[in-house]
Amino acid sequence: AAGVIQSPRHLIKEKRETATLKCYPIPRHDTVYWYQQGPGQDPQFLISFYEKMQSDKGSIPDRFSAQQFSDYHSELNMSSLELGDSALYFCASSYIQGGSYNEQFFGPGTRLTVL
Amino acid sequence: DAKTTQPTSMDCAEGRAANLPCNHSTISGNEYVYWYRQIHSQGPQYIIHGLKNNETNEMASLIITEDRKSSTLILPHATLRDTAVYYCIAAPARNYGQNFVFGPGTRLSVLP
Repeated sequence: AAGVIQSPRHLIKEKRETATLKCYPIPRHDTVYWYQQGPGQDPQFLISFYEKMQSDKGSIPDRFSAQQFSDYHSELNMSSLELGDSALYFCASSYIQGGSYNEQFFGPGTRLTVL
Repeated sequence: DAKTTQPTSMDCAEGRAANLPCNHSTISGNEYVYWYRQIHSQGPQYIIHGLKNNETNEMASLIITEDRKSSTLILPHATLRDTAVYYCIAAPARNYGQNFVFGPGTRLSVLP
């Protein structure tokens, strides 16, 4: 079965640079979530989109922005990168309109390293 | 903050049942209990969810107490590949994108 696709899988950036992470949800899924997991920490919610509109917002820094496009893929844009942004970034998707019970299916993650 | 509390760690012998408890005494009536696991920095993997009835699928069983204040995830025959951090999450269903709040989870070690 098709899964959530994230690209790139690994990314190395310098401080103050920008980064763009991409997420391709499972086909027919209408909702995308972004989570950040720092070293030794649990996943922390950043932001979510339902039908291309922002639906919930967590502890996402103002330097970060995200959107969901017409084909339902999503991009997380990160600017002025800091050392503390080094983390695993997971995208998850779910199919709300299908009457599912909000199971979120996670991608393999993007490992961002800021030097 | 997470609405659930779990033991920090547990051990289980390979081939035996692993019973992972979760306390969710403040769970709301419209909230389901979801279980996920994360194997060494991979994306969290969905296991099972339930509202008030016991549930079973090919991976595990979920037993929810009648008062819904706690639940137990059962892996009937644990293997070494079940070693992971297991997260119990309380969240509404059909909530149009509301996030999951991950707590510390239980680090399960399956021993040979």
